[in-house]
Amino acid sequence: AQSVAQPEDQVNVAEGNPLTVKCTYSVSGNPYLFWYVQYPNRGLQFLLKYITGDNLVKGSYGFEAEFNKSQTSFHLKKPSALVSDSALYFCAVRDASNTGKLIFGQGTTLQVKP
Amino acid sequence: DAGVIQSPRHEVTEMGQEVTLRCKPISGHNSLFWYRQTMMRGLELLIYFNNNVPIDDSGMPEDRFSAKMPNASFSTLKIQPSEPRDSAVYFCASSSSDRDTQPQHFGDGTRLSIL
Repeated sequence: AQSVAQPEDQVNVAEGNPLTVKCTYSVSGNPYLFWYVQYPNRGLQFLLKYITGDNLVKGSYGFEAEFNKSQTSFHLKKPSALVSDSALYFCAVRDASNTGKLIFGQGTTLQVKP
Repeated sequence: DAGVIQSPRHEVTEMGQEVTLRCKPISGHNSLFWYRQTMMRGLELLIYFNNNVPIDDSGMPEDRFSAKMPNASFSTLKIQPSEPRDSAVYFCASSSSDRDTQPQHFGDGTRLSIL
């Protein structure tokens, strides 16, 4: 069965420092991987995706993610964190059913302090 | 372009009442998903439709929950009778499953409080 794990409930980082939010996955076949962000009182917003090709994927708001097949990881990164990046982040993998269904991780709260 | 539209944004009602949540997906999307989010259980997939047909409703918690998609531009999630433990934020999302690379797009949710 396909699954996604986000090992950290919360990540704390100082503004201006690099940030990493971790995600590991388990799939049969090629993984289609996604990152979403959720701000308070809003729905999830798509940040970036990995389908194929370059292992470093760039997305919205300066975020990027690195796909590592050998470690089955898809960590979200940003070189310099902003206070406004504080939010809840979800990693997801596309289900093999080919209906658009996503399997979501449990979410990681990112807290960026000034 | 209009995103996924959910109504109402907030609903407060008394236990035992019927609750109907509404969703308008993005035009052209053929998959629709209903989620529930709570602090205790996180984000849960309740049911999803593909081409207006329910594909998997294994996430629907009880028979009190039902969902319909009468056409490609409208879906409802109904709870009858409602209970306090149904209090949560309910999200609708849509995507184009014809193209594997497309992400799901979420509405801003309905915050449901059952008293």
